Amino acid sequence: SQQGEEDPQALSIQEGENATMNCSYKTSINNLQWYRQNSGRGLVHLILIRSNEREKHSGRLRVTLDTSKKSSSLLITASRAADTASYFCATGPTGANSKLTFGKGITLSVRP
Amino acid sequence: EPEVTQTPSHQVTQMGQEVILRCVPISNHLYFYWYRQILGQKVEFLVSFYNNEISEKSEIFDDQFSVERPDGSNFTLKIRSTKLEDSAMYFCASSEEASRTTEQFFGPGTRLTVL
Repeated sequence: SQQGEEDPQALSIQEGENATMNCSYKTSINNLQWYRQNSGRGLVHLILIRSNEREKHSGRLRVTLDTSKKSSSLLITASRAADTASYFCATGPTGANSKLTFGKGITLSVRP
Repeated sequence: EPEVTQTPSHQVTQMGQEVILRCVPISNHLYFYWYRQILGQKVEFLVSFYNNEISEKSEIFDDQFSVERPDGSNFTLKIRSTKLEDSAMYFCASSEEASRTTEQFFGPGTRLTVL
């Protein structure tokens, strides 16, 4: 798999349900960031988790990071129709190099 | 809340023409980036810029591309002679500091269409 590869590629859920999205990567990282993109729009930063952290929360978002498995998950609880968007994980490498490598993204549809 | 801004939102140009995409990063940020996203594809890193020089560039960022910080607020991406395959959404991003892990905040993007 490529660096920052998400699964599933598409997810459709009912409003009120939880949405879990996964991201796997191949090389060592310094941090992992999740972004949301509404159709044709910009990237909205959701949450950053550092390599020495295992879990972070922000409102209805919960992110986990397992560096031994080189994977992360993004959980959105009590989903809303407004959460409908594409979600991307992006990894920041170790060292001074701070470019982000993005996955292909997950398309989340939340049905009202 | 401070945000990254980009102009124009949409640029249409003829193949072979020069384009300049403009960005105003968040004011106290020190590290600047350009990424692009071809329709339906991944967001790809182009270049990072710190302390008035390029820190890193990708293979995409060839001699046709250049970046500049002409004053204390603007950060520009120039494509000298556009090709059809340059059509994409171009995103500018900025972050506070590169020596520690900080979030990269993205602008709304400029959609470049090369005809």
